[in-house]
Amino acid sequence: GESVGLHLPTLSVQEGDNSIINCAYSNSASDYFIWYKQESGKGPQFIIDIRSNMDKRQGQRVTVLLNKTVKHLSLQIAATQPGDSAVYFCAENSGGSNYKLTFGKGTLLTVNP
Amino acid sequence: DGGITQSPKYLFRKEGQNVTLSCEQNLNHDAMYWYRQDPGQGLRLIYYSQIVNDFQKGDIAEGYSVSREKKESFPLTVTSAQKNPTAFYLCASSTTGGSYNSPLHFGNGTRLTVT
Repeated sequence: GESVGLHLPTLSVQEGDNSIINCAYSNSASDYFIWYKQESGKGPQFIIDIRSNMDKRQGQRVTVLLNKTVKHLSLQIAATQPGDSAVYFCAENSGGSNYKLTFGKGTLLTVNP
Repeated sequence: DGGITQSPKYLFRKEGQNVTLSCEQNLNHDAMYWYRQDPGQGLRLIYYSQIVNDFQKGDIAEGYSVSREKKESFPLTVTSAQKNPTAFYLCASSTTGGSYNSPLHFGNGTRLTVT
């Protein structure tokens, strides 16, 4: 079946560097994508979302890029801080149903001081 | 503060016992969800409810049951029929179907261990 996946399961960066977390999706019917951050022992926290009619969306220190041609989604974190260390999940509304999101397995981001 | 409260944070049960996980939200959201998370896995949808007194099966509903008698509450019962109940359970809510600018909000989860 179609699913959301991640290119890199782990990412280690130095404090102050920019981080890029990637996600591949295969369901061409998906039109809504979300990034979540999950710290150990806690629930996922919403970071940013994007619709398929957009290529880029910016938030505070974060940018999501969507490339529908190659079905690729990325999350860029500027000036990464130790507090950014967490598992990052991308999710898509597979088949267009916002009630049934498909989550990727996650990428563990570690920020070294 | 508005949010989603899951209780308890840790739950231990013996095999063969049913157990109910609590989820309460004061965000006035119509939709509520239950997800299961296993180590190294993405979240998998168990059940969801778009409105009070209505709910639908997700991808892994077997061995679980839910009710939605109140807008604020969406308890999940893990029955003895669930073959691998030990997991981290996450409850979420959204205003509608988790649409743009109205994403899912998650609670902090209940870790269930069945021995």
